Amino acid sequence: DTAVSQTPKYLVTQMGNDKSIKCEQNLGHDTMYWYKQDSKKFLKIMFSYNNKELIINETVPNRFSPKSPDKAHLNLHINSLELGDSAVYFCASSQEVQAGNSGYTFGSGTRLTVV
Amino acid sequence: AQKITQTQPGMFVQEKEAVTLDCTYDTSDQSYGLFWYKQPSSGEMIFLIYQGSYDEQNATEGRYSLNFQKARKSANLVISASQLGDSAMYFCAIGNTGGFKTIFGAGTRLFVKA
Repeated sequence: DTAVSQTPKYLVTQMGNDKSIKCEQNLGHDTMYWYKQDSKKFLKIMFSYNNKELIINETVPNRFSPKSPDKAHLNLHINSLELGDSAVYFCASSQEVQAGNSGYTFGSGTRLTVV
Repeated sequence: AQKITQTQPGMFVQEKEAVTLDCTYDTSDQSYGLFWYKQPSSGEMIFLIYQGSYDEQNATEGRYSLNFQKARKSANLVISASQLGDSAMYFCAIGNTGGFKTIFGAGTRLFVKA
């Protein structure tokens, strides 16, 4: 039973399109995140949500809009896709007060390719 | 602001030997956590080990240990008895105690030779 599941695993789309990535966790965690990993493997935080509320927005372009309908889900919608958006996007979750004990649990990633 | 520096882009180690992956950090927080994650070629991110800034003992998890030197702001990962399956990218990371934001280093790619 997957703890943090992301769909789709692969996404190939043309510039200018709008796409969404879905993320669900069944761990009962309070906090969820989106990270972007670029071609050099550098991981950068995009958003943090705690109990459905946006906590961190790391100067991500407005074209990226996260939505958390409940604390088990954090979806990422991207408008007007650009070539530079090509990357692997990871969803993750943690239990707020226990982030240290078990770190983040990551989804398997979504490889987005914009052509 | 918090920062993680991993100065070794790539490392080689012979199977069954120990290897140390370097990590230094910078933070103005008094309370923080240090983490190591593994990313195999399959792409998933796997949490390995955690060290709290107030923990006096170095963390250990099986073959992984974290050599925490607070005064030097270093949090090196030691992998004992390397195995071929340890070949992967390893990321050091720092987070504030609330856990809402974790900053990752650039990673070190470890190659284990048979």
